[in-house]
Amino acid sequence: AQSVTQLGSHVSVSEGALVLLRCNYSSSVPPYLFWYVQYPNQGLQLLLKYTSAATLVKGINGFEAEFKKSETSFHLTKPSAHMSDAAEYFCAVSGAGNTPLVFGKGTRLSVIA
Amino acid sequence: GAVVSQHPSRVICKSGTSVKIECRSLDFQATTMFWYRQFPKQSLMLMATSNEGSKATYEQGVEKDKFLINHASLTLSTLTVTSAHPEDSSFYICSARDPGTGNSGANVLTFGAGSRLTVL
Repeated sequence: AQSVTQLGSHVSVSEGALVLLRCNYSSSVPPYLFWYVQYPNQGLQLLLKYTSAATLVKGINGFEAEFKKSETSFHLTKPSAHMSDAAEYFCAVSGAGNTPLVFGKGTRLSVIA
Repeated sequence: GAVVSQHPSRVICKSGTSVKIECRSLDFQATTMFWYRQFPKQSLMLMATSNEGSKATYEQGVEKDKFLINHASLTLSTLTVTSAHPEDSSFYICSARDPGTGNSGANVLTFGAGSRLTVL
């Protein structure tokens, strides 16, 4: 079984400040990990993915995440927040093959001017 | 990149009626699609896995007779909410595996824009 825990349902940062969204996973098999972003009333857009290659993964819009097996974590970071980053962020885990993703509960990011 | 089109984006219906939501993969074939449901300010919950040419696989607790899934072709899956009631009001999102995933083994999903169903 796989699961994801996102710490903090809501994170608020100032524009230009560091963004850190936390994600811890549980998986009985080597995990594939994802971060998706969702804007209001829209579907999900892939930010980045970990597929057992490099542990530091760079994604779109300046985001990156680091896979830490010892900590079972896959936290999402961005050095400098923009107003356009305000959205809901979901961490997800899956196994290999055509298996569905299991999502965390999401973290809403607010960016304050 | 891979695009998944979902229609309609919004639908309002009366209680007791049925509503069909379409999910199409554009420019790629999807033998498997996943249907998720999202309640306001909550996460996505997998409802079912739609398989082309065979029956869908439903998650525990999802009524297969209420949420009919048909994967008639390699580019189209439909979700029909039968005899809809207000508690079925939700945001329904479909997804398909991005063919550009390559050989990493990961199931990278591309999502449709979602369909918001409101049952009066």
